Amino acid sequence: KQEVTQIPAALSVPEGENLVLNCSFTDSAIYNLQWFRQDPGKGLTSLLLIQSSQREQTSGRLNASLDKSSGRSTLYIAASQPGDSATYLCAVFAGGTSYGKLTFGQGTILTVHP
Amino acid sequence: GAGVSQTPSNKVTEKGKYVELRCDPISGHTALYWYRQSLGQGPEFLIYFQGTGAADDSGLPNDRFFAVRPEGSVSTLKIQRTERGDSAVYLCASSLWAGVGTQYFGPGTRLLVL
Repeated sequence: KQEVTQIPAALSVPEGENLVLNCSFTDSAIYNLQWFRQDPGKGLTSLLLIQSSQREQTSGRLNASLDKSSGRSTLYIAASQPGDSATYLCAVFAGGTSYGKLTFGQGTILTVHP
Repeated sequence: GAGVSQTPSNKVTEKGKYVELRCDPISGHTALYWYRQSLGQGPEFLIYFQGTGAADDSGLPNDRFFAVRPEGSVSTLKIQRTERGDSAVYLCASSLWAGVGTQYFGPGTRLLVL
């Protein structure tokens, strides 16, 4: 059974810092991995999707990497801003008997203070 | 265009009652997913539909939970004899096809069972 773990559970940083969020998964047979953002009381917004054949994806100040063989992904946020404060979730899509469903980590709660 | 919508946004019910939660996917999306998110946790998969049929219902916790999508668009998640442990945010997502591209999430229905 696929398990996804995110470290740290919570992170508080001053504005302007570069930071890294970590995600690990137990079964490396994945099709893709996504990073989502969730604001309080809101649904999930997709930030980046990395196919299993890719090593990284970038969008603005966000960069996500994927090391499928070691079961790890990182989300790098450059020059953090208070508006980046949210919960960040990673999720893997495994295919096979798990086709159609995402398996999520428990999330990292990020607070960026001015 | 319009995103995924869910109604109601909040639902308070008493233990033992029946509830229905509705999801309107993005127009043209053939795949629809239901997840449940408990406080401080990532979403957990419940069921997904490809068209009108439930392709995978392995995440439904027990036979009190049932979901339908009779015309391949709107879906209803039905919970019978609600229990306090059913309290959570129920998230719906849709995608163009199962396993293809990003799943787009709605804002969720917050269910509280007293």
